[in-house]
Amino acid sequence: AQSVAQPEDQVNVAEGNPLTVKCTYSVSGNPYLFWYVQYPNRGLQFLLKYITGDNLVKGSYGFEAEFNKSQTSFHLKKPSALVSDSALYFCAVRDINDMRFGAGTRLTVKP
Amino acid sequence: NAGVTQTPKFQVLKTGQSMTLQCAQDMNHNSMYWYRQDPGMGLRLIYYSASEGTTDKGEVPNGYNVSRLNKREFSLRLESAAPSQTSVYFCASTVVEDSNTEAFFGQGTRLTVV
Repeated sequence: AQSVAQPEDQVNVAEGNPLTVKCTYSVSGNPYLFWYVQYPNRGLQFLLKYITGDNLVKGSYGFEAEFNKSQTSFHLKKPSALVSDSALYFCAVRDINDMRFGAGTRLTVKP
Repeated sequence: NAGVTQTPKFQVLKTGQSMTLQCAQDMNHNSMYWYRQDPGMGLRLIYYSASEGTTDKGEVPNGYNVSRLNKREFSLRLESAAPSQTSVYFCASTVVEDSNTEAFFGQGTRLTVV
């Protein structure tokens, strides 16, 4: 069965510093990988996705993610964090009928 | 655009009571999902439906039933609620033909079972 893992349940960064939120995956076949963000009392919102091709994927709000096949990773990154980026971030993997999520990483950006 | 609409937003049940969570989407999506979100455990898949008339179990189906009433609607039923079912429930939908298509989520239902 396919799965993703987010090894950090909490990431703290200072505003203006780069941020990384980690995700590793386990799939058979081609991976279809996604990042979603959840703000308080809201549903999940799509940020970006990996489709076969470029290993660096750009998404909403200045976020990007780096796909690394040899390390089976899909880490979320942003060059300069904002306080408004503070939220819960989920990595997800999908096949044709199923969609599974990681446990989530709470990102806190301090002024 | 309404997207994915869930009702109710909040509910308190007594142990043993039953209720149905409703979900509707207006994006003509084939696939619909029900998840529960618990602290430290992320989103866990309860049931999904790849098309009208079909449903399949996810990771944590025990204690739940679902109905895919038509293409738009996918309901989740708790026949006899238990405190362990206290959680936030999310419905999602997406296109089934492309695995690289993102999902759209409802705002969630916060359920407390006392």
